[in-house]
Amino acid sequence: NAGVTQTPKFRVLKTGQSMTLLCAQDMNHEYMYWYRQDPGMGLRLIHYSVGEGTTAKGEVPDGYNVSRLKKQNFLLGLESAAPSQTSVYFCASIPAGENKAFFGQGTRLTVV
Amino acid sequence: GENVEQHPSTLSVQEGDSAVIKCTYSDSASNYFPWYKQELGKGPQLIIDIRSNVGEKKDQRIAVTLNKTAKHFSLHITETQPEDSAVYFCAASTIEAAGNKLTFGGGTRVLVKP
Repeated sequence: NAGVTQTPKFRVLKTGQSMTLLCAQDMNHEYMYWYRQDPGMGLRLIHYSVGEGTTAKGEVPDGYNVSRLKKQNFLLGLESAAPSQTSVYFCASIPAGENKAFFGQGTRLTVV
Repeated sequence: GENVEQHPSTLSVQEGDSAVIKCTYSDSASNYFPWYKQELGKGPQLIIDIRSNVGEKKDQRIAVTLNKTAKHFSLHITETQPEDSAVYFCAASTIEAAGNKLTFGGGTRVLVKP
């Protein structure tokens, strides 16, 4: 039981490049989330999903897209990376009917 | 939407002393208030949570208090130990709302000096 696994752990992108961050959970959780963490700003919600095939915007969705084709996976895409997207990205999941969020280890992304 | 403010941003305490972190929230509909601990290089982990129908909850050396009227809640760590050094986040959400979305405070970096 690995919990929530994020890949990659580190990545450096050039401005304008694209990439996809993968979040996988093996706990059969219904809800999944993508957050970004910046110094002094806590974690801010980018997008979330309440079930397979559904996604919704969070607090800071601009410049990101997501997909939840399978219940266990939640993908975060950056179509054209910008330096403002340099951050640490965390994925989290919550079981239906519960409140405790389980977080992955994070992905440190640097856009130069 | 919800807005959560957290203070202080950094906190240095002597081992064995107590640490207190305070948060305020803006949305009166919020009814779930968890606290997360983030160690260096790791994701946040839930350490304690409280619902709005409870005023205080304790788990060994940590406790959380909630004042619904004033819209603030606090984390208390007693008899601090070096392993308590970490970044702590408060959060708020409305359980019945679709998606259980958490709004986080800005975090408090706690350093316990031996």
